[in-house]
Amino acid sequence: SQQGEEDPQALSIQEGENATMNCSYKTSINNLQWYRQNSGRGLVHLILIRSNEREKHSGRLRVTLDTSKKSSSLLITASRAADTASYFCAGINTPLVFGKGTRLSVIA
Amino acid sequence: NAGVTQTPKFQVLKTGQSMTLQCAQDMNHNSMYWYQQDPGMGLRLIYYSASEGTTDKGEVPNGYNVSRLNKREFSLRLESAAPSQTSVYFCASSARGARAGRPYEQYFGPGTRLTVT
Repeated sequence: SQQGEEDPQALSIQEGENATMNCSYKTSINNLQWYRQNSGRGLVHLILIRSNEREKHSGRLRVTLDTSKKSSSLLITASRAADTASYFCAGINTPLVFGKGTRLSVIA
Repeated sequence: NAGVTQTPKFQVLKTGQSMTLQCAQDMNHNSMYWYQQDPGMGLRLIYYSASEGTTDKGEVPNGYNVSRLNKREFSLRLESAAPSQTSVYFCASSARGARAGRPYEQYFGPGTRLTVT
């Protein structure tokens, strides 16, 4: 299975701090995606990182991928209350399989 | 574009009743998916359709059937609802075929909240 497992399960930080969440997976993947889910809503794609990339940036998001350790991390810098959501990783597979996510709470 | 739409938004069923959840996308996507999400949990794949005319089982297909009516529409049917099927159901679509093996982004609908009593 390409299911990712996110860690920690829950994270609470103050506004302005950085938030880091991790994803581990068991089998080799070619690409990995991160999604965000606001409470009661569907998932929204954030960023995709390919297996030949080690790091990728998009605005306040920074994603790393270590294929040797089968892990990825998502860093959100200068967090805002609006970043409060659950974050999921998914290895590219046919079709995508999601883990349980990290619930991020950003306190204003 | 409306993206991915789902109807109904909320539904309450009695045990043993049947219903069909509707999903439509207007992005000309090839692949469509149905996921189930319990509170505080991740998404579990029920069924997917890699392309029009094909459907495949996901992780938790028991108790469900699907129909890929055309390229736009993918419905999920509960033949005999059970309390264990109380959940939020999300439909998603992607441009590339689910079997393409290349990167693709999934677009999600707003979900249908189903309660079975």
